[in-house]
Amino acid sequence: AQSVTQPDIHITVSEGASLELRCNYSYGATPYLFWYVQSPGQGLQLLLKYFSGDTLVQGIKGFEAEFKRSQSSFNLRKPSVHWSDAAEYFCAVGSTGGFKTIFGAGTRLFVKA
Amino acid sequence: GAVVSQHPSRVICKSGTSVKIECRSLDFQATTMFWYRQFPKQSLMLMATSNEGSKATYEQGVEKDKFLINHASLTLSTLTVTSAHPEDSSFYICSASGGLMTGELFFGEGSRLTVL
Repeated sequence: AQSVTQPDIHITVSEGASLELRCNYSYGATPYLFWYVQSPGQGLQLLLKYFSGDTLVQGIKGFEAEFKRSQSSFNLRKPSVHWSDAAEYFCAVGSTGGFKTIFGAGTRLFVKA
Repeated sequence: GAVVSQHPSRVICKSGTSVKIECRSLDFQATTMFWYRQFPKQSLMLMATSNEGSKATYEQGVEKDKFLINHASLTLSTLTVTSAHPEDSSFYICSASGGLMTGELFFGEGSRLTVL
């Protein structure tokens, strides 16, 4: 069955520190992988996506993610976190047309001064 | 990126009434839209897939008669919560597909429904 696991419910990092949010997936075919960010009471915004090609993908706001097929992982990273990055982050796996996109449970990021 | 607008952002209604939520694609045509429900501090749960000009496809466990979805045009899908009850209170989010060649979804701002 298709699934997405985000092992960390919440993470706290200091402003300026590096960040890595974990995501593991289970998918029968070559997955389309996404990271979305959600601010409180808002919809979701796409940070980055992976369809094929280079396994290290760059996104908006200085985020990047690396697709590792052998580990079924798609971890999100940022070298230096800003206070404005505090939000909920969702990893998702899907297919063409957006059908049956499955979201992970989300990881809440807290940034301390 | 493409813009999806959702309205209203917040709505409070009395138990037993019906509430309509609109989802519009502002700068592109969306043949397929998706409706999600999100409980506090939880992930998104797909409720249904809305296809322009045809009936929506509901996920297992979602009541079709409770959550009416209409996708009458390429830029508008509506979700009507009929005879709402307090347990229907939730955050409802719509999204539109970026097209068949991409899996990207464009999300509305979400609608917070509170049923008293």
